[in-house]
Amino acid sequence: DTAVSQTPKYLVTQMGNDKSIKCEQNLGHDTMYWYKQDSKKFLKIMFSYNNKELIINETVPNRFSPKSPDKAHLNLHINSLELGDSAVYFCASSQTLGSDEQYFGPGTRLTVT
Amino acid sequence: DAKTTQPPSMDCAEGRAANLPCNHSTISGNEYVYWYRQIHSQGPQYIIHGLKNNETNEMASLIITEDRKSSTLILPHATLRDTAVYYCIVRVAMYNQGGKLIFGQGTELSVKP
Repeated sequence: DTAVSQTPKYLVTQMGNDKSIKCEQNLGHDTMYWYKQDSKKFLKIMFSYNNKELIINETVPNRFSPKSPDKAHLNLHINSLELGDSAVYFCASSQTLGSDEQYFGPGTRLTVT
Repeated sequence: DAKTTQPPSMDCAEGRAANLPCNHSTISGNEYVYWYRQIHSQGPQYIIHGLKNNETNEMASLIITEDRKSSTLILPHATLRDTAVYYCIVRVAMYNQGGKLIFGQGTELSVKP
């Protein structure tokens, strides 16, 4: 069983389009995150949610809108995609906000053309 | 959070111990040392963490110097599957920072036959 899953694994789209990436965790965790890894492999936090409540929005453009319908899901919707949004997006979860270990999903490679 | 300095790359022979150093000279008394790794095309994976004392688990050992300004991650018997980028992260308790992990450039470890 996959602990943290993301769909799709690959996403190729054109500038200006709107797309969503879905994330689900079956670990019963309270906290979920989105990270972005750019072309230089630099990995950076975007958002964290705890019990469906937004905790961190790390100066991410408002074209990015996370949505947590329940504790097991944290989806990422991106409006008006730009070339600079091309990256690998990782979802992660942890037992609580204070947990030491985060479990990461396999990533979604987004390519904007 | 304190900054960390790691060598950009290291090689290790299969079956030998891999010792990955990390400098964190500005670490504060309440900051922990975490290690994660990222195998190619996968999400990061938690390895180990510690505050002052040396720690060991089934994956690795963490040696923290007495002044806490540096640490070493030890993989006792490296295998080819240990080839990955290893990240050393120092931070206060997770809940204080909204749970976020701040990744640096890491060390790319290549385990060779």
